[in-house]
Amino acid sequence: KNQVEQSPQSLIILEGKNCTLQCNYTVSPFSNLRWYKQDTGRGPVSLTIMTFSENTKSNGRYTATLDADTKQSSLHITASQLSDSASYICVVSARSGGGADGLTFGKGTHLIIQP
Amino acid sequence: EAGVVQSPRYKIIEKKQPVAFWCNPISGHNTLYWYRQNLGQGPELLIRYENEEAVDDSQLPKDRFSAERLKGVDSTLKIQPAELGDSAVYLCASSPGGRVLHFGNGTRLTVT
Repeated sequence: KNQVEQSPQSLIILEGKNCTLQCNYTVSPFSNLRWYKQDTGRGPVSLTIMTFSENTKSNGRYTATLDADTKQSSLHITASQLSDSASYICVVSARSGGGADGLTFGKGTHLIIQP
Repeated sequence: EAGVVQSPRYKIIEKKQPVAFWCNPISGHNTLYWYRQNLGQGPELLIRYENEEAVDDSQLPKDRFSAERLKGVDSTLKIQPAELGDSAVYLCASSPGGRVLHFGNGTRLTVT
């Protein structure tokens, strides 16, 4: 069964500090891995998407890494800001004939940035 | 571009009552999804449309849930009758080709 496990479940850090969120998956055959940010009361918004051949991708202060051999990904947030407070969801896509079918969502990491 | 629009944003109903949610996807996006998200959980797929065809509805509780996407654009999701366990956020998403999903802000349903 395809699964995506995220850790930690929740995290509190001070503004300006860095943090790293983890995602482990058992999705096969692997197609791509996505990180989404979900603000409270909002829908998820895409941060990054990585395919098998990509092992790092940045989007501003967000840097995602992918190790397809160990089936692990991380999302690193640099110099955190209050607006980074949100849930971060890891989503893994299984390869198929096309489209975004076969998506497996993690439960998310709830991040709180304190001033 | 305008994002995915969902309405209503909030809905409170008594159990056994019907309820409907509406979604207007991003123009040109052929693929439309309905997800259900419980508190502290990731979204769970209910149904996926390719244009007006439902291509994956295996997780849709068909005894009480129904959906339609007339003309391959807007979509509605209906629950009849609602149960207490249906309380959740219902998210609609659209995609132009399946890689990146664009989500609406959801409808928060409370069944009392």
